[in-house]
Amino acid sequence: AQKVTQAQTEISVVEKEDVTLDCVYETRDTTYYLFWYKQPPSGELVFLIRRNSFDEQNEISGRYSWNFQKSTSSFNFTITASQVVDSAVYFCALSEPQGAQKLVFGQGTRLTINP
Amino acid sequence: DTAVSQTPKYLVTQMGNDKSIKCEQNLGHDTMYWYKQDSKKFLKIMFSYNNKELIINETVPNRFSPKSPDKAHLNLHINSLELGDSAVYFCASSLRAAKNIQYFGAGTRLSVL
Repeated sequence: AQKVTQAQTEISVVEKEDVTLDCVYETRDTTYYLFWYKQPPSGELVFLIRRNSFDEQNEISGRYSWNFQKSTSSFNFTITASQVVDSAVYFCALSEPQGAQKLVFGQGTRLTINP
Repeated sequence: DTAVSQTPKYLVTQMGNDKSIKCEQNLGHDTMYWYKQDSKKFLKIMFSYNNKELIINETVPNRFSPKSPDKAHLNLHINSLELGDSAVYFCASSLRAAKNIQYFGAGTRLSVL
């Protein structure tokens, strides 16, 4: 069965600090997709990134970067120079590439950026 | 131009009532989903339809009945509402061949009193 664990329930930092959100997953599939979604206080779920299990390159998008390590089954998310607008709940998720393709979510990490 | 729209955004009702939540997507996607987010923010799949065919039906009480009249719509009907049904319900859609990026609606907050 697939499982995603986000061990950090809440993180609070001061603006401009760097912060890393951890995500560890379990799956028996050799091919899978990993995702990060953001849920700001307004409540919607916003797609941030998808990573294919065959692609272990790290990715950077502005202040956001993602570190995928298949050897440790981890897909961590770093925000550099955090801003108050980054305050949200962040979800890591896993899905199979074929079949029903449902998303299996982690428990979420509530990130608070203080001014 | 909202890509995935759900109505209503808020729903407050009494125990025992029947209610429906509607979802529409204008992205041309062929697959739609319902997820439930509980009070602890945990998100779990409930149902999925691909081209109007039910492909996921997790262990959800049969008081919940999804209905997909066409590829762009997926509605959720709930009979005999219970206190434990209070949650935020999210609709999502994706294009199955496009590596499963699911786009979510804004959610419907259901409160059962």
